[in-house]
Amino acid sequence: EVQLVESGGGLVQPGGSLRLSCAASGFTFSRYWIHWVRQAPGKGLEWVSHINSDGSGTTYADSVKGRVTISRDNAKNTLYLQLNSLRVEDTAVYYCARELSSAGNGPRMDSWGQGTLVTVSS
Amino acid sequence: DIQMTQSPSSLSASVGDRVTITCRASQSISSNLNWYQQKPGKVPKLLIYAASSLQSGVPSRFSGSGSGTDFTLTISSLQPEDFATYYCQQSYSTPRTFGQGTKVEIK
Repeated sequence: EVQLVESGGGLVQPGGSLRLSCAASGFTFSRYWIHWVRQAPGKGLEWVSHINSDGSGTTYADSVKGRVTISRDNAKNTLYLQLNSLRVEDTAVYYCARELSSAGNGPRMDSWGQGTLVTVSS
Repeated sequence: DIQMTQSPSSLSASVGDRVTITCRASQSISSNLNWYQQKPGKVPKLLIYAASSLQSGVPSRFSGSGSGTDFTLTISSLQPEDFATYYCQQSYSTPRTFGQGTKVEIK
């Protein structure tokens, strides 16, 4: 069974830092792109970042660029999101999601973790 | 970046109604369009991928269509468990982008 389990969320003051983790199991982690998607309270889904299968390629949303770093350790089947210079507007549930691609079909996020809540407040 | 615009933002419907949600991309994305369902307090769930392919385990009353810039999610006969928020998402390029969501409420 594919499982993604996020951790590392919590309450942090504006300007602070957090490192989120996403532990994967039930599939060959090193073969998949993984994304971070967040959802502020009462708001819609916002894509945050992606990393390719070997970690050599990453992209970021403009809203977090320069403050966030995505990385992965394929030996540990774990994805990370380092959040720096946090702002009140970064308050959200952060989900990791696996992206599946199959021949002839476009990529899609077929498996999601349960999310970890980051609250930025003084 | 590709912008995704859904309409309507919300709708009220009754059990048994046919419901249609539209998603428009700011540029052509071929068929690289996915639909997700999210219920309150729950994780998003993939419903439709590649514009019209039904994810395994999803009831056949859900269907998707479209290509290029205009896409549609249809629920043929709304069931009580379908009241939720629906999001489209393009997978043509990074950054991946989501629509703002369509909340389907009980009339």
